[in-house]
Amino acid sequence: EIVLTQSPATLSLSPGERATLSCRASQSVGNYLAWYQQRPGQAPRLLIFDASNRATAIPARFSGSGSGTDFTLTISSLEPEDFAVYYCQQRSTGITFGQGTRLEIK
Amino acid sequence: EVQLMESGGALVQPEGSLRLSCAASGFTFGSHFMSWVRQAPGKGLEWVSSISESGTRTFYADSVKGRFTISRDNSKNTVYLQINSLGADDTATYYCAKRPATGAQYFEYWGQGTLVTVSS
Repeated sequence: EIVLTQSPATLSLSPGERATLSCRASQSVGNYLAWYQQRPGQAPRLLIFDASNRATAIPARFSGSGSGTDFTLTISSLEPEDFAVYYCQQRSTGITFGQGTRLEIK
Repeated sequence: EVQLMESGGALVQPEGSLRLSCAASGFTFGSHFMSWVRQAPGKGLEWVSSISESGTRTFYADSVKGRFTISRDNSKNTVYLQINSLGADDTATYYCAKRPATGAQYFEYWGQGTLVTVSS
């Protein structure tokens, strides 16, 4: 099973700041990686697929990069609604998720 | 508009069984893979199972293989998850999810989830 490790576990930032979230795979997943946002009490929302492609209606402040084993989700300027939990997911071999990064207001 | 609505979650005793349903609308149901993803309280996401468009191919996480059965009724636009021999580790919100139009194994559309609680 491919294990995805997200860091940091919690990220404390202020609105307007830049957020950088990391996801590392235990073996190469190519570019078969997605990012999701989950707000409290809501279902997850697909943000980025295939490492760097924004899903439908996702704002341009969200961007993804990386390939192989190291991936990054960047939020260029945080809006109040961006404070949530973020998960990465790979589809290279089976389907697994990372444990999540909680983005909280500083 | 794609809509997925789960039902069937309940409080169940250990070793009990339950059938979850997911009613879909807003797309050609019989042309798309469907999946279940679960989330234990306060925990992360775990893919559980997927089923092909016609229902002839099914896939399961190792943690549920042999206990869970996914099926679908394309005439009713509904996907099901039969869960047997429930244990405390199965306590979770179960989400129904649909892949994007490309068919890639991501989850673009989600229901609001149905809660399964295993407790005596």
